[in-house]
Amino acid sequence: RKEVEQDPGPFNVPEGATVAFNCTYSNSASQSFFWYRQDCRKEPKLLMSVYSSGNEDGRFTAQLNRASQYISLLIRDSKLSDSATYLCVVNRGYSTLTFGKGTMLLVSP
Amino acid sequence: DARVTQTPRHKVTEMGQEVTMRCQPILGHNTVFWYRQTMMQGLELLAYFRNRAPLDDSGMPKDRFSAEMPDATLATLKIQPSEPRDSAVYFCASGSGTIEDTQYFGPGTRLTVL
Repeated sequence: RKEVEQDPGPFNVPEGATVAFNCTYSNSASQSFFWYRQDCRKEPKLLMSVYSSGNEDGRFTAQLNRASQYISLLIRDSKLSDSATYLCVVNRGYSTLTFGKGTMLLVSP
Repeated sequence: DARVTQTPRHKVTEMGQEVTMRCQPILGHNTVFWYRQTMMQGLELLAYFRNRAPLDDSGMPKDRFSAEMPDATLATLKIQPSEPRDSAVYFCASGSGTIEDTQYFGPGTRLTVL
């Protein structure tokens, strides 16, 4: 089983739609979790951290389920500018991160 | 606005040539990472430094790759000799080394080995 697994997509959604991505991780000892965003031909950038209690940042909501070892990202009211690849990231200790291969989102007018 | 910088941004070379990529981490960051990204494998960690000391280079092919930090403002990744399968985007990232560490990525070096 891969350390971090994501559906590669692409997810094609119209502007204004709500879209959700899930990710599963294999190491139950993982301590911290993140979503990064990567635009085409650019570097990954932190979108948000993921906490057990769930956290929200504007239109973005992240959830963590430690028992089932999955992480989710919900995007409400999608914008064209949300088109990107979303990387699920798990800290496996000593500051080293394991990245999923990413889920591609395409938002169309 | 502090950023990680990488040079060169693009490199095209022929098989067998030496390639050196450079990274300047954000001032004050004590952890530096080298990643390789390909369509097939995604982002893979090649090497990791903390306070300039190499802590983990298990992801790096030892026979041809080497990573160093000659000082706190410079990290290098060298491939000698390069092979076509090394074609990828190589990212450098730096962080403050905490458990909630956010890693800040440089713009990457896009390497093509012919």
